[in-house]
Amino acid sequence: GAVVSQHPSRVICKSGTSVKIECRSLDFQATTMFWYRQFPKQSLMLMATSNEGSKATYEQGVEKDKFLINHASLTLSTLTVTSAHPEDSSFYICSARAGLAGGLFYEQYFGPGTRLTVT
Amino acid sequence: GENVEQHPSTLSVQEGDSAVIKCTYSDSASNYFPWYKQELGKGPQLIIDIRSNVGEKKDQRIAVTLNKTAKHFSLHITETQPEDSAVYFCAAPYGGYQLTFGKGTKLSVIP
Repeated sequence: GAVVSQHPSRVICKSGTSVKIECRSLDFQATTMFWYRQFPKQSLMLMATSNEGSKATYEQGVEKDKFLINHASLTLSTLTVTSAHPEDSSFYICSARAGLAGGLFYEQYFGPGTRLTVT
Repeated sequence: GENVEQHPSTLSVQEGDSAVIKCTYSDSASNYFPWYKQELGKGPQLIIDIRSNVGEKKDQRIAVTLNKTAKHFSLHITETQPEDSAVYFCAAPYGGYQLTFGKGTKLSVIP
């Protein structure tokens, strides 16, 4: 099956610093990648959608200047949490979707997640 | 947008029994319905999905049924095993290729 990796799996950083999380599709080309945030015992909250070579589309309420997303290639997307604060501590998960943009291929494959703790 | 409701929020079954989780959706144009399994501290794993041109799909002990008229779909797990214990999420598409997720069902299989 399709494999998506994320790095790092865990990161602890100090308040005010920036953290970059990488998401890679290992065995397929991802036309679209998604970034989710998940709080304990809650569902997945979509933060943004990115298509390769385009600017990301952010969900309402998500600060695009704080959560910088870059989708530079068909296999790599990065999420940078800038000037992190304790309230940004969460489980961040990416997913990747194969298939043509606008096509009827909805399968999304998730990465293993990144646990971010801001002290 | 799409609204997905999932029930129950928690489910406990004895090992070997069956488990059923149900979801309803609001957008009658939706045509793809995946189920994900999430173990503690891990990302969700796609376990089965169904498209609107079929009413049922099976994969070993897992099956999904779809009722487009009633706008609901269900996950069925037979002969449950302790390793089936996890949180299960249903989802439905919106906006062309994004997914809206249900709130999740925590399944506990008691040995």
